[in-house]
Amino acid sequence: AQSVAQPEDQVNVAEGNPLTVKCTYSVSGNPYLFWYVQYPNRGLQFLLKYITGDNLVKGSYGFEAEFNKSQTSFHLKKPSALVSDSALYFCAVSSPNTGNQFYFGTGTSLTVIP
Amino acid sequence: DSGVTQTPKHLITATGQRVTLRCSPRSGDLSVYWYQQSLDQGLQFLIQYYNGEERAKGNILERFSAQQFPDLHSELNLSSLELGDSALYFCASSVEGRAEAFFGQGTRLTVV
Repeated sequence: AQSVAQPEDQVNVAEGNPLTVKCTYSVSGNPYLFWYVQYPNRGLQFLLKYITGDNLVKGSYGFEAEFNKSQTSFHLKKPSALVSDSALYFCAVSSPNTGNQFYFGTGTSLTVIP
Repeated sequence: DSGVTQTPKHLITATGQRVTLRCSPRSGDLSVYWYQQSLDQGLQFLIQYYNGEERAKGNILERFSAQQFPDLHSELNLSSLELGDSALYFCASSVEGRAEAFFGQGTRLTVV
């Protein structure tokens, strides 16, 4: 079975400060890991993915994520937060063995305070 | 714009009714996925089609069904609607060989 946990429902960070949104996963085999962002009344936008290779992956809008196999984590990071980064962030896992459908975490609401 | 189009954007209907949600995937994408987003259940995978064939099934109720047509658009049919079916329904599409999927803006279904 595959699952994702996002331990924080809400993260607040001051504008200009680094931000981290946490994600841990459970999957049999090698995971495909993703981050998506959802703005109010919008669909999910793809930010980045980890399939294989370098543990630090870079994505859209200055976001990056670090894959840590020993800790089964895939935390989303950004060196300097913007007010416009305020949104709902979802971590997801998939596997080519099960059709590539996503199993999403419960989401983390990020608020960047001006 | 993800390139995935969902219609309608909003739908209000009564309990017991049947509705059809439509999705047009990105050009060239053969896989279509349907997801349900609700406050209590979060984002849940319902069903996947690949080039017209059902490929995977998730937490989809028996009252719900889907299909993918030869032009690759997909429809999600929800019948005998209940208040608890009120949710945001997303369609996503992906191309073979790429793991990420691209989501439409969703259809917000309200059952009254």
